Amino acid sequence: AQKITQTQPGMFVQEKEAVTLDCTYDTSDPSYGLFWYKQPSSGEMIFLIYQGSYDQQNATEGRYSLNFQKARKSANLVISASQLGDSAMYFCAMREGITGGGNKLTFGTGTQLKVEL
Amino acid sequence: DAMVIQNPRYQVTQFGKPVTLSCSQTLNHNVMYWYQQKSSQAPKLLFHYYDKDFNNEADTPDNFQSRRPNTSFCFLDIRSPGLGDAAMYLCATSRAAGDYYEQYFGPGTRLTVT
Repeated sequence: AQKITQTQPGMFVQEKEAVTLDCTYDTSDPSYGLFWYKQPSSGEMIFLIYQGSYDQQNATEGRYSLNFQKARKSANLVISASQLGDSAMYFCAMREGITGGGNKLTFGTGTQLKVEL
Repeated sequence: DAMVIQNPRYQVTQFGKPVTLSCSQTLNHNVMYWYQQKSSQAPKLLFHYYDKDFNNEADTPDNFQSRRPNTSFCFLDIRSPGLGDAAMYLCATSRAAGDYYEQYFGPGTRLTVT
């Protein structure tokens, strides 16, 4: 069974600073995908970034980058130049294929990020 | 803009009174998912549709059912809500299975059971 671990229940960062949110995973499947989602207090899940297990380079999307260390089974999210609007819950998730088609996302327990002035 | 829409955003129902949550999408995606997210917890997949094919997670209670009358719409029916079913219900869509296909989430429906 796949497992995602996020060990930081809460994080604080000052505006304009960079912050790293940790994520480790466990799977026996050689092919997998890792996602980061942001969930503001309004509830919607916003896709941030994706890393495939065979991708040679770390994924980047604007201020978001993924520090993918395959041997360590970690996929940490780095947010550069934090903004007040980045305050939210952040979930790391792993994709697995499921019976009947589609992809199942297994989520970690999340990290609540608070950006301070 | 193409999107995933959930109605209502907030739903209050009484213990044991059937309730239906609605999801629609303009993305024309093959797959639609329903997740349950209890307070301070991660979302948990209940079931999904691949086109018209329904796929239930093994640990989803029988109290939860779903319908997908067409590509655009998907409904979550809770036959006899209990207090433990109070949660945020998230609908998501994706293209057919593949390595990358991200899931697009709706804003969620927050269900309260009184």
